[in-house]
Amino acid sequence: EPEVTQTPSHQVTQMGQEVILRCVPISNHLYFYWYRQILGQKVEFLVSFYNNEISEKSEIFDDQFSVERPDGSNFTLKIRSTKLEDSAMYFCASSEAGRKTPLHFGNGTRLTVT
Amino acid sequence: AQKITQTQPGMFVQEKEAVTLDCTYDTSDPSYGLFWYKQPSSGEMIFLIYQGSYDQQNATEGRYSLNFQKARKSANLVISASQLGDSAMYFCAMRYMEYGNKLVFGAGTILRVKS
Repeated sequence: EPEVTQTPSHQVTQMGQEVILRCVPISNHLYFYWYRQILGQKVEFLVSFYNNEISEKSEIFDDQFSVERPDGSNFTLKIRSTKLEDSAMYFCASSEAGRKTPLHFGNGTRLTVT
Repeated sequence: AQKITQTQPGMFVQEKEAVTLDCTYDTSDPSYGLFWYKQPSSGEMIFLIYQGSYDQQNATEGRYSLNFQKARKSANLVISASQLGDSAMYFCAMRYMEYGNKLVFGAGTILRVKS
């Protein structure tokens, strides 16, 4: 069964550094998402991406964050200058078109900012 | 404002028994979809079951079923014949059709299955 893959599984970075989290969505999916989950807490929506542009973003997704689909397969989340509070699990997800279709999530990247 | 509420932070169930995990939602949109996900301790998010707001019948998927009560705005997940491997965090999520394609998640319920 096709799956969403995320790399790396764990990233440790120092405060103020830039990080890029990488994702390969399922190949025939059209919608891409980033979510984050601070340890043991709620899964929070960051951004959705469709047709090579952001379709929706949350209040969390400020100017520090950006997303890109640099080629036909990868989907990246960049955090420009990390803060301690950016430490979380970041999930990439993708879905087909249609309201009944679920989001398929990757296994996540655990980001630790020190 | 759209909102998903899971009032049970934690639940215990005896192996082989059924358990119901509660989910209520608040929306004025007539068209929406409800999803349940399982998150084991390993961290991945696993899709379990979907219910559409216009679906006449409650969704079922193996040992999972949805007790969908539209007038009460509730979509409770029922797990029958619980297994030790069902121990996990369970999230209810909603897609509001008028507001894009994202899912909005509830706070989750931790389920522990006892042997």
